[in-house]
Amino acid sequence: AQKVTQAQTEISVVEKEDVTLDCVYETRDTTYYLFWYKQPPSGELVFLIRRNSFDEQNEISGRYSWNFQKSTSSFNFTITASQVVDSAVYFCALSEAWTGNQFYFGTGTSLTVIP
Amino acid sequence: NAGVTQTPKFQVLKTGQSMTLQCAQDMNHEYMSWYRQDPGMGLRLIHYSVGAGITDQGEVPNGYNVSRSTTEDFPLRLLSAAPSQTSVYFCASRARGDRGRANEKLFFGSGTQLSVL
Repeated sequence: AQKVTQAQTEISVVEKEDVTLDCVYETRDTTYYLFWYKQPPSGELVFLIRRNSFDEQNEISGRYSWNFQKSTSSFNFTITASQVVDSAVYFCALSEAWTGNQFYFGTGTSLTVIP
Repeated sequence: NAGVTQTPKFQVLKTGQSMTLQCAQDMNHEYMSWYRQDPGMGLRLIHYSVGAGITDQGEVPNGYNVSRSTTEDFPLRLLSAAPSQTSVYFCASRARGDRGRANEKLFFGSGTQLSVL
């Protein structure tokens, strides 16, 4: 069963618009970790954030914010006032604390910010 | 600090050829892994290792071999390349988490674009 679902395959927004990337996960572990990575057109994978399953406090970092809701098994990522440099593929990932050594990645959301 | 170093960046093979993708990390990470990235499929785990001498299969291990003789190196071998192995390959490592938990972020290499004709 797919553990991480990113239903949005591609999103296009006009510069300065806000955009939210959805991530829904599935796990039976009570302790787990959620991650977001960015893959710009150059191809490297850049770590953005890690969230623990026992910490539902939302996180804000500049124009980026993350909303973690255990009740809906979601870990959504919002970019405020998007910029062209935000154009990339974004991956959500899950790591279960005790039951394995595997990161489960979603299929990614390709974001294009149009100037 | 170089982080995770992958070589080569690009490779073209003919069906049936063999090759080794190299991966080295200088962060003393116990955990290392190989992923392949295909369009629309995200990153899928091929093999991983939790320490020197210990390897295990991931989601898509067929056609690939690995070994871990040192903490630093984790090469991926294609014994007989097939067109289905055309992909972008990423090596990744992470530190051991506190009290053994898998909570540390992955550090990725820059990727290898492999084409099998």
